[in-house]
Amino acid sequence: GENVEQHPSTLSVQEGDSAVIKCTYSDSASNYFPWYKQELGKRPQLIIDIRSNVGEKKDQRIAVTLNKTAKHFSLHITETQPEDSAVYFCATKGGSYIPTFGRGTSLIVHP
Amino acid sequence: DGGITQSPKYLFRKEGQNVTLSCEQNLNHDAMYWYRQDPGQGLRLIYYSQIVNDFQKGDIAEGYSVSREKKESFPLTVTSAQKNPTAFYLCASSIGVLTDTQYFGPGTRLTVL
Repeated sequence: GENVEQHPSTLSVQEGDSAVIKCTYSDSASNYFPWYKQELGKRPQLIIDIRSNVGEKKDQRIAVTLNKTAKHFSLHITETQPEDSAVYFCATKGGSYIPTFGRGTSLIVHP
Repeated sequence: DGGITQSPKYLFRKEGQNVTLSCEQNLNHDAMYWYRQDPGQGLRLIYYSQIVNDFQKGDIAEGYSVSREKKESFPLTVTSAQKNPTAFYLCASSIGVLTDTQYFGPGTRLTVL
């Protein structure tokens, strides 16, 4: 089955800095790559996604890049704010049609 | 995601007891999923259902059971056979298994006393 590795597990930044979270996957058939944000005690919410026919997608301060050859994709958050503090999960979806999630990255933004 | 509800929010269970977690959606989605979340483990799939009266095991189905008698409802039973049931349980749905976006419920935190 699919294997998704996510790094780092914890990321601490100062307010205004950029944050980058990277995921690698194994299934070359994967074609959908969402990112979820989960605040403490709450449900995961989709913040951005990308499909395999696109290399980069931006939405205000967040962006996702995809390198299908190397089988990795990354979440970029610019001008971080304290409210960005949360756990972020990547996921992939491919031939099995069932998403596989990374283990999550705890992002801490210090004011 | 407001169309998916889970109850209760907190649940306490004594060892040896079965307990059922509720998941309801009014989004008219065909596919529904149950995940277990432990610290540092991400989301692990327990069961999923593509359509009424059909469901499939996920990666960690042992000690759990589900039913899908109605499109709107996908209850999860945590049986006494589940050795470490204390966790945060999340239900999700999507239009179909082939459809990309999943919508999550608010979760149920189960604690075994």
